Amino acid sequence: DADVTQTPRNRITKTGKRIMLECSQTKGHDRMYWYRQDPGLGLRLIYYSFDVKDINKGEISDGYSVSRQAQAKFSLSLESAIPNQTALYFCATSDPGTGVEQYFGPGTRLTVT
Amino acid sequence: GQNIDQPTEMTATEGAIVQINCTYQTSGFNGLFWYQQHAGEAPTFLSYNVLDGLEEKGRFSSFLSRSKGYSYLLLKELQMKDSASYLCAVRGHNYGQNFVFGPGTRLSVLP
Repeated sequence: DADVTQTPRNRITKTGKRIMLECSQTKGHDRMYWYRQDPGLGLRLIYYSFDVKDINKGEISDGYSVSRQAQAKFSLSLESAIPNQTALYFCATSDPGTGVEQYFGPGTRLTVT
Repeated sequence: GQNIDQPTEMTATEGAIVQINCTYQTSGFNGLFWYQQHAGEAPTFLSYNVLDGLEEKGRFSSFLSRSKGYSYLLLKELQMKDSASYLCAVRGHNYGQNFVFGPGTRLSVLP
């Protein structure tokens, strides 16, 4: 079973709709992250969380919100989706106590029409 | 400011050696990472450098020069399955020790 899972894997929605992307992990990591990836721009950090009570904005948080429901779950919401939020979204986890790298989920491809 | 540059695309032949360069200008430095990403898939960790020099891991090696803001990823004995994007990322010194990713280099390995 995958250590970091994301749902849905693909989603098409209309402008103005609210949408939630979910991330779950079984790695036992405290740190979780949401990124978006656009062609030619690389991965950009939206939000990150070090535990349930510690949530921080990343480079491009406008238009997004997050919820850390438990150590294992970190959700990303688009309150009112717009077309330029069309992108590939990745969740990631890390644990500095056991390693330096981040582990990525499989991604959610979101299209806003 | 933060800026990471990589070539957009590279092509190489199966069995050959290829070097993918990365230059960076960041406000803080706490390690340089290389990730591999196959099309439509998640990035996977390849290597990590925090001190100057070469780190070797099988067919892959990564080099860092902090004074020059420069790194490269060296792939030897290229295989078709090495066709992927290679992402350079710098970890910062801020509270989150967040990663800044470069745009990625798409490598095509030809038979």
